[in-house]
Amino acid sequence: QVQLVESGGGVVQPGRSLRLSCAASGFTFSRYGMHWVRQAPGKGLEWVAVISYDGGNKYYADSVRGRFTISRDNSKSTLYLQMNSLRAEDTAVYYCAKVSTLTIWDGMDVWGQGTTVTVSS
Amino acid sequence: QSALTQPASVSGSPGQSITISCTGTSSDVGGYNYVSWYQQHPGKAPKLMIYEVSNRPSGVSNRFSGSKSGNTASLTISGLQAEDEADYYCSSYTSSSTIFGGGTKLTVL
Repeated sequence: QVQLVESGGGVVQPGRSLRLSCAASGFTFSRYGMHWVRQAPGKGLEWVAVISYDGGNKYYADSVRGRFTISRDNSKSTLYLQMNSLRAEDTAVYYCAKVSTLTIWDGMDVWGQGTTVTVSS
Repeated sequence: QSALTQPASVSGSPGQSITISCTGTSSDVGGYNYVSWYQQHPGKAPKLMIYEVSNRPSGVSNRFSGSKSGNTASLTISGLQAEDEADYYCSSYTSSSTIFGGGTKLTVL
């Protein structure tokens, strides 16, 4: 079945780096744009970044631009989020999500279970 | 970019209809038809309920419907059921990014 599985979360000190992965299965990964969305404890959803189907276009939220990098490996059906210079306010559950259509700004119809990132000294 | 404005909470009795609003600006909700709605139960991942303002993904009950007027989008749930109790978030495209609403907690009385 269609599935996204995130991994790579954990506890990290401020200023350090972490790389999240999102393994896709059950659909043609290379056809769809992919997003990262995060949710701080007890808070709402916050969009983080999006990448086009071929990796040629990438966009970021102001809060992470210059620190986070979204990428994908279509040969491995895997999405990544490289997070550098982490801050306490980056603490959240991070979800990867598939775009529902061929337009990267459309709704996200498949979500992973989330991976937790905690930034703390 | 400020979040889209949603009521913090709404409530309704089983069988009733409720509407959740999502107010933005002409730069987001009012300017594009990339408005989506998500349902999130506690401890679970969000679920897409509506995309492109009023389209329902396959498998989503027709009790859920979406609309837009000017800078405000709306999600209506008819025939309220206990399992509809959840948090609901709207989202919209804006200026090479996606913006979410602050979320609305729906309580089924």
